[in-house]
Amino acid sequence: ETGVTQTPRHLVMGMTNKKSLKCEQHLGHNAMYWYKQSAKKPLELMFVYSLEERVENNSVPSRFSPECPNSSHLFLHLHTLQPEDSALYLCASSQDSGQNYGYTFGSGTRLTVV
Amino acid sequence: KQEVTQIPAALSVPEGENLVLNCSFTDSAIYNLQWFRQDPGKGLTSLLLIQSSQREQTSGRLNASLDKSSGRSTLYIAASQPGDSATYLCAVRGRGNMLTFGGGTRLMVKP
Repeated sequence: ETGVTQTPRHLVMGMTNKKSLKCEQHLGHNAMYWYKQSAKKPLELMFVYSLEERVENNSVPSRFSPECPNSSHLFLHLHTLQPEDSALYLCASSQDSGQNYGYTFGSGTRLTVV
Repeated sequence: KQEVTQIPAALSVPEGENLVLNCSFTDSAIYNLQWFRQDPGKGLTSLLLIQSSQREQTSGRLNASLDKSSGRSTLYIAASQPGDSATYLCAVRGRGNMLTFGGGTRLMVKP
């Protein structure tokens, strides 16, 4: 384990379902991120929570909704997804006030939309 | 906008060979560069982190170099083993504190 824990590891959901992905870090970091990894594409940044302020990639559809209740927990709420949203969703954390720090990633949630 | 390119996209070598993976980036205004390893269907494992003021970092059989002015980094793997088979990702942390990834190099080390 890297210190960043993601649940569930695998998720299969229908297009009309609502589900949430969870991420938790115990590294004392103050920034958390959601990345999407689709087949044969570079990792795509979806959302950033840095010092409790949210920054988002404007190309992310509104059917993805992040929530960051505190600096240790991050959620990604999913609703009315499409089959093309099937991907590996990775959570990461870092110490944002110190650019010398690297990122730590979780093991990811493999999402399949049917 | 920062762009990161990794060459080659895929590499297959016999066990025991020394190999070099390449990473280039377009904006040299970076804070650091990080090399990750990803096994199929898994998350990313950090291998090496090089600060913008550093030239190289070493960990075991791995050595990463950074030439910020030319926008290049290399990951050198000595005496490759089948267990090294994975995808290797390069990422730079730059403006806005964002991490930008390359497309990765898929490495296969044959016994």
